[in-house]
Amino acid sequence: NAGVMQNPRHLVRRRGQEARLRCSPMKGHSHVYWYRQLPEEGLKFMVYLQKENIIDESGMPKERFSAEFPKEGPSILRIQQVVRGDSAAYFCASSSPGPPINYGYTFGSGTRLTVV
Amino acid sequence: TQLLEQSPQFLSIQEGENLTVYCNSSSVFSSLQWYRQEPGEGPVLLVTVVTGGEVKKLKRLTFQFGDARKDSSLHITAAQPGDTGLYLCAGVDNYGQNFVFGPGTRLSVLP
Repeated sequence: NAGVMQNPRHLVRRRGQEARLRCSPMKGHSHVYWYRQLPEEGLKFMVYLQKENIIDESGMPKERFSAEFPKEGPSILRIQQVVRGDSAAYFCASSSPGPPINYGYTFGSGTRLTVV
Repeated sequence: TQLLEQSPQFLSIQEGENLTVYCNSSSVFSSLQWYRQEPGEGPVLLVTVVTGGEVKKLKRLTFQFGDARKDSSLHITAAQPGDTGLYLCAGVDNYGQNFVFGPGTRLSVLP
């Protein structure tokens, strides 16, 4: 997982607060993907971004969730007014330019969000 | 929506045993990948299979992609405690942009 940096590793928020999760892709990677993993489950796609563009957000909940990948700085996944059901591990992955068909993702170590 | 199923869901074996886990779908995938995820960490890519019928070996791990590119298997020979983890398969979706993940097989190898 070296190279894709996610922070914080653990985040505790009270219901109704905002959560901001950060992801810095590997050097040279311009594509970022966010996935959510509930306990004892696989990864669910949320959003795919390139610099300053959202390419596919079909997995993002329609409300309270947003993502960005600015020209400078990390990608941010933002969850407003968190609820207990948002508690999960959120993983970011990055890839080189072009479709990742043949070489897969490099994942970060994730941010574990706990809503109390 | 393309879905991947994995079996078994849980597997607990003794060190030295062999095992096979499966990844199945009713959809055709242009490629499939296998990842291993350890507790508290992100998934780590093990292998990518692209050609129907392809077999790849990685030390004690053997990966096979079905002829119809709808399924894959992972065989581990002489399992070791270090093989313990969640094994995830992932296939490229219809648009070739994102990976669809299976629910995983949670393997525990006891010393």
